[in-house]
Amino acid sequence: NAGVTQTPKFQVLKTGQSMTLQCAQDMNHNSMYWYRQDPGMGLRLIYYSASEGTTDKGEVPNGYNVSRLNKREFSLRLESAAPSQTSVYFCASNLNQNMNTEAFFGQGTRLTVV
Amino acid sequence: GENVEQHPSTLSVQEGDSAVIKCTYSDSASNYFPWYKQELGKGPQLIIDIRSNVGEKKDQRIAVTLNKTAKHFSLHITETQPEDSAVYFCAASFPGSARQLTFGSGTQLTVLP
Repeated sequence: NAGVTQTPKFQVLKTGQSMTLQCAQDMNHNSMYWYRQDPGMGLRLIYYSASEGTTDKGEVPNGYNVSRLNKREFSLRLESAAPSQTSVYFCASNLNQNMNTEAFFGQGTRLTVV
Repeated sequence: GENVEQHPSTLSVQEGDSAVIKCTYSDSASNYFPWYKQELGKGPQLIIDIRSNVGEKKDQRIAVTLNKTAKHFSLHITETQPEDSAVYFCAASFPGSARQLTFGSGTQLTVLP
């Protein structure tokens, strides 16, 4: 039972490079989310997709784009990476957009921008 | 949007003692309050949650209390064990174009043997 799968687990980028973080869930959930986790700041929402075909900005969307490829997959793209984007990124999914049931998280992607 | 404050940021207890972590929230429309445990190198995992129509919920050694008037909720862990050592996050769900979770800043709990 895979749950939420993120790739890659680790990545080092040079400033200005681009990359896409992949996320897939096998629980038939409608809603998916991307968070970043920084020391002392908890998890902050970057973008979310309440349902297939929709995406919305969260608290810290600048410098990122997302694509809800289908119901299973939700990718996060950094077009021109900056050192301030060094963080641990988590993808999550939830059964519905009401966010009143358990959210399931992936294992995280540790990204370093040098 | 919602603002969630969590205290303390670090907490050390002796094995067998109790641990309490407290959170306050700002948006009175928040109606769902989960607690997540994050072990080193892993993603957060739900351990207990409470909805706004309930004042207290217990699951074995873990309990959560909610005071809607004061806008605060707390996690209580009794008879702590070394495997309880982890980072704990509180969160609150608030309305928007779709409901979102706002997380507290986390508490590093260390249970000393």
